[in-house]
Amino acid sequence: DQQVKQNSPSLSVQEGRISILNCDYTNSMFDYFLWYKKYPAEGPTFLISISSIKDKNEDGRFTVFLNKSAKHLSLHIVPSQPGDSAVYFCAASGGSGNTGKLIFGQGTTLQVKP
Amino acid sequence: DTAVSQTPKYLVTQMGNDKSIKCEQNLGHDTMYWYKQDSKKFLKIMFSYNNKELIINETVPNRFSPKSPDKAHLNLHINSLELGDSAVYFCASSPSRVLTEAFFGQGTRLTVV
Repeated sequence: DQQVKQNSPSLSVQEGRISILNCDYTNSMFDYFLWYKKYPAEGPTFLISISSIKDKNEDGRFTVFLNKSAKHLSLHIVPSQPGDSAVYFCAASGGSGNTGKLIFGQGTTLQVKP
Repeated sequence: DTAVSQTPKYLVTQMGNDKSIKCEQNLGHDTMYWYKQDSKKFLKIMFSYNNKELIINETVPNRFSPKSPDKAHLNLHINSLELGDSAVYFCASSPSRVLTEAFFGQGTRLTVV
């Protein structure tokens, strides 16, 4: 029962172009969404988050969009840089008795080509 | 000056052994977690402690026992290791149980042979 899904296992983008990573969720009780970036042999690093009361949050080159009716969020990276090459995890939390538990998607490997 | 540090980074051991993974955070956070990343790369929560109190205990075998001597430390002890326990284990912390921007350690790759 996978409540958070990232249907694209990998994405390849040219340097300078936009990278769009997608994430779908099934639990309407989720009220907070996060994106993490992970390099090999390192732990996930928090990138950006969005509350369910917003539909957009921007931080530098990174923007997260939330479409609650579609239960879909996306991460836009503009412009993409080779150093952005990593695995990106979408995560969600919330619901009754929120315990801070994060439910992760399976990750999308982004490759940015120079 | 690592925020969340876990040791060891790599652990190779035989089936049936007992092993521990240690985790420490210097962020002053109240909540700590253990996550497991399996061979399919899914990250799943195992346990969470808030101020030394267990608040999340997912369906994890009893062979796994977390221990939190203080709010800066959350250790994971595993008894009678099995082949299926091979995975990467991540420790994480967050400011509170409702602030979920968790900070992760670098992971411990456990290989059971």
